[in-house]
Amino acid sequence: GDSVTQMEGPVTLSEEAFLTINCTYTATGYPSLFWYVQYPGEGLQLLLKATKADDKGSNKGFEATYRKETTSFHLEKGSVQVSDSAVYFCALLIGNEKLTFGTGTRLTIIP
Amino acid sequence: EAQVTQNPRYLITVTGKKLTVTCSQNMNHEYMSWYRQDPGLGLRQIYYSMNVEVTDKGDVPEGYKVSRKEKRNFPLILESPSPNQTSLYFCASRKEGQGPYEQFFGPGTRLTVL
Repeated sequence: GDSVTQMEGPVTLSEEAFLTINCTYTATGYPSLFWYVQYPGEGLQLLLKATKADDKGSNKGFEATYRKETTSFHLEKGSVQVSDSAVYFCALLIGNEKLTFGTGTRLTIIP
Repeated sequence: EAQVTQNPRYLITVTGKKLTVTCSQNMNHEYMSWYRQDPGLGLRQIYYSMNVEVTDKGDVPEGYKVSRKEKRNFPLILESPSPNQTSLYFCASRKEGQGPYEQFFGPGTRLTVL
């Protein structure tokens, strides 16, 4: 079946550090890929998405590129801020079926 | 403001006492869904609904019921809660049809079953 594998957390970085959170997927079809973010005490919010190979999603300084050859969708940010502390979920969607989520990566940024 | 609301936000109950968690959306979305979030497991879908009076099981439906009598509401019912249903629950909604469409999540309901 379809699945998403995310980098194990938690991840702790200093402010202004470079961030990478790895995400790889297994899918029988051609998925759309998503990153969701969950701030403390809140629900999930869509951070960015990519719907086909080589697409780059970007938002709030975060980027992720849909790499079909490596079945990956790694999340990156050049300079993280304390306000980026949250749990990040990678997810895939095939057709308009259900979202399949990774286990989440907790990110903590230290001033 | 477009939103998904859930109530209650926090609930502590005892084994066997029936409870309902409400979910409502104001975006006229056809598709609604319930997830539970557990440490190390991510979000797992419990039930979903493609439209009024149409519901189907997700990955972990045991011990849960849902109904979809109106487009905006999708309550989650635990007829006889057990401690293994202690979890953080999220309702979500999106448009149905050719997508992919963004899924909007509620703020979550933290349930503890003693």
